[in-house]
Amino acid sequence: GEDVEQSLFLSVREGDSSVINCTYTDSSSTYLYWYKQEPGAGLQLLTYIFSNMDMKQDQRLTVLLNKKDKHLSLRIADTQTGDSAIYFCAESPMDSSYKLIFGSGTRLLVRP
Amino acid sequence: AAGVIQSPRHLIKEKRETATLKCYPIPRHDTVYWYQQGPGQDPQFLISFYEKMQSDKGSIPDRFSAQQFSDYHSELNMSSLELGDSALYFCASTIARSYEQYFGPGTRLTVT
Repeated sequence: GEDVEQSLFLSVREGDSSVINCTYTDSSSTYLYWYKQEPGAGLQLLTYIFSNMDMKQDQRLTVLLNKKDKHLSLRIADTQTGDSAIYFCAESPMDSSYKLIFGSGTRLLVRP
Repeated sequence: AAGVIQSPRHLIKEKRETATLKCYPIPRHDTVYWYQQGPGQDPQFLISFYEKMQSDKGSIPDRFSAQQFSDYHSELNMSSLELGDSALYFCASTIARSYEQYFGPGTRLTVT
């Protein structure tokens, strides 16, 4: 997506932590999301963060939000081979119908 | 738990033909979004409906139309199909003004 940017590829070793980064442009976005897409599959909502928060933790997932820099990150602890997928960040501008604007996706490859 | 249902899962059409994609939202969800994901691309918002009325419109070609019915299911009608319409079409549903959109498995449309 033109307004949401992500790095294209990340490779990590099984058991390590993964950090996937995203920058967004719309400062009015109320919520910011992380979705996971496995090959040929749909989009799975992993987690989201409200724009007035700076961190959210959910089991192995930690989301960090830097509103000043419009930077969002997703940390996956103890990455497993089943975590290999494409990860999309998305924003939902407040003046919209809550539609999602996606980034281009980061392909995460977990090596055994 | 019930999920979003999309049918058909796969569809092959020839150029200039028409196609109809169907989406059945999660029970009690009254809002539906349609997204198009081209090969290697991020999902792009097409159109959304709330309580059977169009609530937002994105980059949807004039050849496409959509509606939401009284049982909240939605249909995306695509006419004069072009090769470039080949993509994954996702439907997502939510309860109005909720921040959690749940995606269906998608319909893979191939235009030959």
